[in-house]
Amino acid sequence: GQSLEQPSEVTAVEGAIVQINCTYQTSGFYGLSWYQQHDGGAPTFLSYNGLDGLEETGRFSSFLSRSDSYGYLLLQELQMKDSASYFCAVRDGASGTYKYIFGTGTRLKVLA
Amino acid sequence: NAGVTQTPKFQVLKTGQSMTLQCAQDMNHNSMYWYRQDPGMGLRLIYYSASEGTTDKGEVPNGYNVSRLNKREFSLRLESAAPSQTSVYFCASSERGNTPSYEQYFGPGTRLTVT
Repeated sequence: GQSLEQPSEVTAVEGAIVQINCTYQTSGFYGLSWYQQHDGGAPTFLSYNGLDGLEETGRFSSFLSRSDSYGYLLLQELQMKDSASYFCAVRDGASGTYKYIFGTGTRLKVLA
Repeated sequence: NAGVTQTPKFQVLKTGQSMTLQCAQDMNHNSMYWYRQDPGMGLRLIYYSASEGTTDKGEVPNGYNVSRLNKREFSLRLESAAPSQTSVYFCASSERGNTPSYEQYFGPGTRLTVT
């Protein structure tokens, strides 16, 4: 089967840097994605890593190590609006389609 | 571009009633998905359609049926609603043509309560 593990909650102060980890077990690996979801809202795509290394998009970066089955999302210069839930997701390698499995999410609280 | 739209936004059903959740996308995506999200939980895949004319079960398909009406529309039907189906339902789409897209676009969700 496939599974993803994330911390349930992370708290940080405005302006700080926070890292949200994700470990996964998959039958085949086609990359790790990250989504953000504000309370009451829909998930929105943040980033994708298909190969090892760091991908940077503005204040957000995502890292992948395929040998360790591990990735993380790094948020810099935290702002209050970053308070949200963050989900990692992997594509189901067994199905051969673009079907995704999501983690249970990490709730980030940013304190003033 | 409206993206992914879902109707209705809110719905209350009594146990045993049926209803259909509608989803449409205007991005010419091939793949469409239905997820449910329970409080404090991640997204769990109910059914998906990799392309027009095909549908497949996801992680939690029991109690649901789907129809891929055309490339734009993908509906989810609850034949006999149960309190365990109280949840927020999200429709999503991805993949333009033959170009792999790792980004899923989500609709605003339908908040369903079954009493």
